[in-house]
Amino acid sequence: ETGVTQTPRHLVMGMTNKKSLKCEQHLGHNAMYWYKQSAKKPLELMFVYNFKEQTENNSVPSRFSPECPNSSHLFLHLHTLQPEDSALYLCASTWGGRDRGYPEQFFGPGTRLTVL
Amino acid sequence: AQSVAQPEDQVNVAEGNPLTVKCTYSVSGNPYLFWYVQYPNRGLQFLLKYITGDNLVKGSYGFEAEFNKSQTSFHLKKPSALVSDSALYFCAVRDMTGANNLFFGTGTRLTVIP
Repeated sequence: ETGVTQTPRHLVMGMTNKKSLKCEQHLGHNAMYWYKQSAKKPLELMFVYNFKEQTENNSVPSRFSPECPNSSHLFLHLHTLQPEDSALYLCASTWGGRDRGYPEQFFGPGTRLTVL
Repeated sequence: AQSVAQPEDQVNVAEGNPLTVKCTYSVSGNPYLFWYVQYPNRGLQFLLKYITGDNLVKGSYGFEAEFNKSQTSFHLKKPSALVSDSALYFCAVRDMTGANNLFFGTGTRLTVIP
């Protein structure tokens, strides 16, 4: 778990609020990911960034807006969320590019989000 | 498209007994398979991976996994379970088209009974 940090660890917000989740990795990776983890469902890949460029958006609603200002930081901006968006949001990082073999992803502890 | 399936939501095993957490995969081509563990209020932690070579892969905390191509399986095993092994276990397969993206199963909750 060390090496990838996420803040806040818990967040409660109303449907009209705007908030942001932050992820930071200290591992020298160049690929970062946002996942959504809901009970009884597979981890849902939301966004992928490689070398600060967004390379994947898995049909995520526009009320979720990612930002990757550099290879070490990743944000998820939230606005006008719905109660069904309540979940654990996980950030992960790894080495991008096919020249690095098949590396595993390193995960942060997650942000537990509750939308009222 | 590639995917993994974890057929058991819950596995219970007595402490000291061997444990198995099942995973089957579906890919076109050679699979690259991973196991992760998630403890309460924590992110996922990498346990082991199969890329090529020996079918028996050894990983962290005494876990190992057996790759079986004919049965398209990659079951996680441990010879003697500990209470501290109680957690949520995820199998994953690498996206063959994307840059190191992973597709995860639904997870299996392992409970080791003292």
